[in-house]
Amino acid sequence: GAGVSQSPSNKVTEKGKDVELRCDPISGHTALYWYRQSLGQGLEFLIYFQGNSAPDKSGLPSDRFSAERTGGSVSTLTIQRTQQEDSAVYLCASSLWGGHNSPLHFGNGTRLTVT
Amino acid sequence: AQSVTQLDSQVPVFEEAPVELRCNYSSSVSVYLFWYVQYPNQGLQLLLKYLSGSTLVKGINGFEAEFNKSQTSFHLRKPSVHISDTAEYFCAVSVGGGSQGNLIFGKGTKLSVKP
Repeated sequence: GAGVSQSPSNKVTEKGKDVELRCDPISGHTALYWYRQSLGQGLEFLIYFQGNSAPDKSGLPSDRFSAERTGGSVSTLTIQRTQQEDSAVYLCASSLWGGHNSPLHFGNGTRLTVT
Repeated sequence: AQSVTQLDSQVPVFEEAPVELRCNYSSSVSVYLFWYVQYPNQGLQLLLKYLSGSTLVKGINGFEAEFNKSQTSFHLRKPSVHISDTAEYFCAVSVGGGSQGNLIFGKGTKLSVKP
């Protein structure tokens, strides 16, 4: 079946512009996660959704970052006034119900480059 | 706070040789442990997981890992590697007691298998 889909796969933007990254989770998965993967830094947790609500936003690095999820499905991560340090691969993952016994399924990511 | 340490950032090995990728975690509560693999230009996929029970866990592609509570380790092993195992491997921990399923990842180990 279809996996987690992210778009665009690559995004180049100028410093100061806003960007939107999209994630389509696996159908029926209630939990959705955003991670950021920077060179040499591993994966950094950003935000977690259960349904449409975000009980854990602790990983968002600044107020320039926001995310929403609608209809318990598609999620959008928005970065306002992008900075060069925002350059990274942004990964989305979903899981069936978000518990420990529910493995995460990752998308292929969006590579963001801020020039 | 929980953390995951992967001591080796890069591991070069010849084809058909054994390999061990090291992972140590810090947590004062029960944990759930995972290994994910990321092949070039692909998303992460689950290799294996430890939730409870037997401390020796077998995963896909002939990999296995052993949970050692006293040493707080979860090292990944394969007795004979193939060229196709070249990838980046991430160890992750999910802390017990919550239902979030959020993972804390190590910085990754790049396994390079040479002919």
